[in-house]
Amino acid sequence: KNQVEQSPQSLIILEGKNCTLQCNYTVSPFSNLRWYKQDTGRGPVSLTIMTFSENTKSNGRYTATLDADTKQSSLHITASQLSDSASYICVVSDRGSTLGRLYFGRGTQLTVWP
Amino acid sequence: EADIYQTPRYLVIGTGKKITLECSQTMGHDKMYWYQQDPGMELHLIHYSYGVNSTEKGDLSSESTVSRIRTEHFPLTLESARPSHTSQYLCASSEGAGARYEQYFGPGTRLTVT
Repeated sequence: KNQVEQSPQSLIILEGKNCTLQCNYTVSPFSNLRWYKQDTGRGPVSLTIMTFSENTKSNGRYTATLDADTKQSSLHITASQLSDSASYICVVSDRGSTLGRLYFGRGTQLTVWP
Repeated sequence: EADIYQTPRYLVIGTGKKITLECSQTMGHDKMYWYQQDPGMELHLIHYSYGVNSTEKGDLSSESTVSRIRTEHFPLTLESARPSHTSQYLCASSEGAGARYEQYFGPGTRLTVT
């Protein structure tokens, strides 16, 4: 069964600190993996996308890694800011369907305190 | 930020009422999607469209219906709202079908049925 599991479910850190969010997936055949940021009451916004051959991708203070062998990904946030408070969702696509089926994790709810 | 809009943003309505959630995009995307998201849970695909006059049901069974008469417009209708329909509804669009095309999300409609 294709699944995406994220940990931790929630995380609280102090402003300026770093943190790492985890994503494990069983989606096959794998196409790509995206990390989305979803602010409260808003739609998800894409942060990074990685294909099978990529093992790291950065977007400002966000760095995503991918290990396609172990089917794990992480999102590292450096020097956190209050505006980083949001839900971070791991989304994996398969390449076995015309639609490009997306499998969503439940997200990690990050809270950054001043 | 993606040019995809949803109205209303929040809706509280009584049981049995008919409602239509609006979604429009100005990017000229052929592919559009409706997702349902409960708090702390993953997004579930309930409807999608490949283009005008094309609509398909998604993975999660839904009593809602959709229509696609114009490329830019993809409304979702509930003929008789029930408390079980209380949820957040997210609309998305993409340039093409397939895993390599990013889906752009609207801000969502938070529906509460009393």
